[in-house]
Amino acid sequence: QITLKESGPTLVKPTQTLTLTCTFSGFSLSTSGVGVGWIRQPPGKAPEWLALIFWDDEKRYSPSLNNRLTITTDTSKNQVVLRLTDMDPVDTATYFCAHRPAYSYGFWNWGQGTLVTVSS
Amino acid sequence: QSALTQPASVSGSPGQSITISCTGTSSDVGGYNFVSWYQQHPGKAPKIIIYEVTNRPPWVSHRFSGSKSGNTASLTISGLQTEDEADYFCSSYTTSSTYVFATGTKVTVL
Repeated sequence: QITLKESGPTLVKPTQTLTLTCTFSGFSLSTSGVGVGWIRQPPGKAPEWLALIFWDDEKRYSPSLNNRLTITTDTSKNQVVLRLTDMDPVDTATYFCAHRPAYSYGFWNWGQGTLVTVSS
Repeated sequence: QSALTQPASVSGSPGQSITISCTGTSSDVGGYNFVSWYQQHPGKAPKIIIYEVTNRPPWVSHRFSGSKSGNTASLTISGLQTEDEADYFCSSYTTSSTYVFATGTKVTVL
């Protein structure tokens, strides 16, 4: 059974850096073709794809947020970490991590999401 | 990259069929057959219901089907049921090796 769970602060101040951790089980990020992505969803709005890291440490970022995002992995801990710098109230959203299997370009398994509010 | 475009809302009566469109560009929807559809109930994480344009995960009802023509993908829900009332999003892999999601459609079962 594949599970993912996001963890991190629920409240950050403007200009701070957000660090979120995705802890997963049921698959290995060392398996060829596998990826873990981050997607966020502002309240009442559509999801927005943020970043994706692959089994070979290749990384992809949203063009609109590329200069603020960093995605890394700790395969020994089965964790993927997302950092988003210079937080602004418009970054308030539920942040999800999701598993992209080797056999598909879709996101097949999602975490429950964590709501991050940006406010002073 | 801009978000893919979907109608804000679609409604139908139980038993009817509805179709949701997802319009992009030749750099995303039209570029590859890598469109996915997700169903999201309030307060829940999205669940994949269609991948690679036309394919269903094993646990997804055959009432859900996908197709694509040019830069527009479509999701059809046949035999509409009350539990189908949810938000639906499409997403596409792009020619820049990134992803883009759509604006989303709220499906209401009358």
